[in-house]
Amino acid sequence: NAGVTQTPKFQVLKTGQSMTLQCAQDMNHNSMYWYRQDPGMGLRLIYYSASEGTTDKGEVPNGYNVSRLNKREFSLRLESAAPSQTSVYFCASSEEGWAENYGYTFGSGTRLTVV
Amino acid sequence: GEDVEQSLFLSVREGDSSVINCTYTDSSSTYLYWYKQEPGAGLQLLTYIFSNMDMKQDQRLTVLLNKKDKHLSLRIADTQTGDSAIYFCAERDAGTALIFGKGTTLSVSS
Repeated sequence: NAGVTQTPKFQVLKTGQSMTLQCAQDMNHNSMYWYRQDPGMGLRLIYYSASEGTTDKGEVPNGYNVSRLNKREFSLRLESAAPSQTSVYFCASSEEGWAENYGYTFGSGTRLTVV
Repeated sequence: GEDVEQSLFLSVREGDSSVINCTYTDSSSTYLYWYKQEPGAGLQLLTYIFSNMDMKQDQRLTVLLNKKDKHLSLRIADTQTGDSAIYFCAERDAGTALIFGKGTTLSVSS
């Protein structure tokens, strides 16, 4: 019963380097999300995937790409990291359906520093 | 676009009640949520309320919803030091993604 697993937990990058943040869920959820959390800004949606094979931009997608590899996995890629991308990144997943509540299950986060 | 507003800080004494307030803009929100984030951790769903309800109680937690004023509150009775955390209000927007407020940091002193 792992829930949502994010790797790595911590990462330091140099400006211009690239990296992929991994996320996997074992709850058979259809929808997956990437948020970033910055002090005083709350959580802002980067990208989401309502179902396998689909992805959509959120509030702050610039500088990021995503891949919904299969139903379980949703990765976030930084092609050329910038100091403004220093943040804590959270992956989440949920069921879908308008007739019932579905809260999100969050991973424990990836703390990324770009120097 | 949709927006969720919260006060940033709340400080209470152990044993007192805490009330965290939230306002939202999307009148079509179906569900509204409260999440808790402890230091260094992800967010945990605390409770939620359906938009046709006025109140929901769950042990020490009471959620009040005033749909006319688009105001949501979370009351924590008998607040304990373990309740110290950041509390996020969230609403569901027209798509599938939750919109979060900036979070209220609750500090409980003994």
